[in-house]
Parts: sequence; structure tokens; C-alpha cells
Amino acid sequence: DIVMTQTPLSSPVTLGQPASISCRSSQSLVHSDGNTYLSWLQQRPGQPPRLVIYKISNRFSGVPDRFSGSGAGTDFTLKISRVEAEDVGVYYCMQATQFPWTFGQGTKVEIK
Amino acid sequence: QITLKESGPTLVKPTQTLTLTCTFSGFSLSTLGVGVGWIRQPPGKALEWLALLYWNGDKRYSPSLESRLTITKDTSKNQVVLTMANMDPVDTATYYCAHRLSSGNFFDYWGQGILVTVSS
Repeated sequence: DIVMTQTPLSSPVTLGQPASISCRSSQSLVHSDGNTYLSWLQQRPGQPPRLVIYKISNRFSGVPDRFSGSGAGTDFTLKISRVEAEDVGVYYCMQATQFPWTFGQGTKVEIK
Repeated sequence: QITLKESGPTLVKPTQTLTLTCTFSGFSLSTLGVGVGWIRQPPGKALEWLALLYWNGDKRYSPSLESRLTITKDTSKNQVVLTMANMDPVDTATYYCAHRLSSGNFFDYWGQGILVTVSS
């Protein structure tokens, strides 16, 4: 199985300041079709996960442009340029390049 | 608008078989490339992928749970059913179903989830 490792596990952030989450995979996420199936999900308290970023850097419909994704191969990053109160929650990276699809442990973003 | 909703028992006894139904709207499971997956989340823990069913009937399972899982579809009812045999208290979790977009491997829409508790 591909292991997804996120850092940090907790990220206290001041409102209006940036936040960054790292996700590292135990092997390359480049699929045989040439795509890299790395996505980021946001889970607000008491809510189901919500897709934020897919294929490394594509923002899903309705996601604010303060969210951005980058990376390649085995190292990926989610950035929030200016954290707002509604961004509080747990963020998961997920790989869907190889079965079984796997998730990171989650990173909790909270306001200082 | 794509929506999914999980239904089933919220309490099962150890050794019983769990049957969960995902009822969806806004898409057809007959459409090329579309899929429906199941993911679970124990209380306070991370997400765990369980199974995926494609439009063409192809199925994929988590290897660690494959012997216990079965995923099926009823296209006419817009439903996907997941059964998990021999339930144990460690299977207590919120179970989600989610839509796989035809253009790639990711889940773009998720159901609200159903909390299943395994206890005698």
C-alpha cells in the first residue's frame, strides 16, 4: 500500500495569515495514464469531507482561490494564502493512483 | 446536482453482517467512467477507503477487508449497496459513500455519512 504522511498534524494559525500542509507519499503518484491522482479534502467539524483540490493543483468548483495545491512525484503541498474562520477543520491528502486508495492521517487547522 | 445519501442500521451486533445502501441522484452509474466508492472513519480517526464500483461493474476492494466486503449496484434504483460480514467493535465508524468523477480518480461529492456502532 502507498503510505501518505502529512506534516504537521496540527497547525494553529492566526486569522489572515497563511497556512501550509505537506503530504509525502511512499512511492511516486504518477499514474500510467500520465496523471497524478493526489487530492486534498477538507473536513469541517461534524461534516463529511469536501473536495478542495484534485490532481495536485486543480481547485474544485466553488473552492476559494486562497486555496492552492502544488507538488510532483512524492511531495505535495496545500496552501491557504489567508486563513479565514470557515477554513477551520481537518485536511486530508488522498492518493488514487494505485489501489488501495489511501489517505494521510489528517492535519488539523485551527485558529490561534 | 449530485447528491448521495447513506442508509442502513446504526447499531449492529458483533458477528452480524452490515448492509449499507447509498442512494444517489444527479448522475447515472451507467455513464462511462463513473464510479461510487465507500469510505469509513472511526470516531476521531482518519479516513479509510473500503471499496469502489465502476459503471461497467468492475469492483475494487481494500485488500485488508476484501474477504468481508461485497459491493453491488442496482442501476434502475440509483443505488449502491455495501455489505460487510462478521462485524466487530473495531468496525464502529461513520461510513460514507462518494461519487467518482468519470474524468479521474478522485471523489468529488460525498454523502453525509452514517454512524454505525458495533456493540452487543
